[in-house]
Amino acid sequence: EAGVVQSPRYKIIEKKQPVAFWCNPISGHNTLYWYRQNLGQGPELLIRYENEEAVDDSQLPKDRFSAERLKGVDSTLKIQPAELGDSAVYLCASSSGGTGAGNTEAFFGQGTRLTVV
Amino acid sequence: AQRVTQPEKLLSVFKGAPVELKCNYSYSGSPELFWYVQYSRQRLQLLLRHISRESIKGFTADLNKGETSFHLKKPFAQEEDSAMYYCALTKYGNKLVFGAGTILRVKS
Repeated sequence: EAGVVQSPRYKIIEKKQPVAFWCNPISGHNTLYWYRQNLGQGPELLIRYENEEAVDDSQLPKDRFSAERLKGVDSTLKIQPAELGDSAVYLCASSSGGTGAGNTEAFFGQGTRLTVV
Repeated sequence: AQRVTQPEKLLSVFKGAPVELKCNYSYSGSPELFWYVQYSRQRLQLLLRHISRESIKGFTADLNKGETSFHLKKPFAQEEDSAMYYCALTKYGNKLVFGAGTILRVKS
């Protein structure tokens, strides 16, 4: 089992350019999360999916960020246009979902380190 | 508002010394608490959760609802424990709210 797979691992772009990140969650996991981790801080949720539905996108800056999970499996997160302040590590995570306590463990990918110059 | 506070950015101890990583939280209700760990060049992974009440790699954490704390403890630190540790909470798996993290450095 490869776990949660993210690509690319690293990305350097100039400001105002678009960028996209891809995530393949663990097979069978209905819940998918995108987190952003700024330097020296813990991860912060951007968006949470239950299958293909975005159930919590309250922290997603919708003027420039978008995400999709069309078939309820893998997901993409896009930034257009990127700003200097978007430099961070973008983490994808998945869990089996449901409200039972045993389903709340989130498994994380390796992350994509974005540098905007 | 949900908040997790880890007051120490860095904790440096000698091998064999006891370790306590502090975590305090604010939440109106009964959240589920976790400790996640990130070893060098590895992904973030779950270390332990309060509902399991188990010891993982010699670490334990007790939820103190009166003090709203969930400190991580280990009686004898080992060099391989050196890592970044994050305390986090969730309610019904909606989202994880993380603290800023504490770097644990175990010196030989």
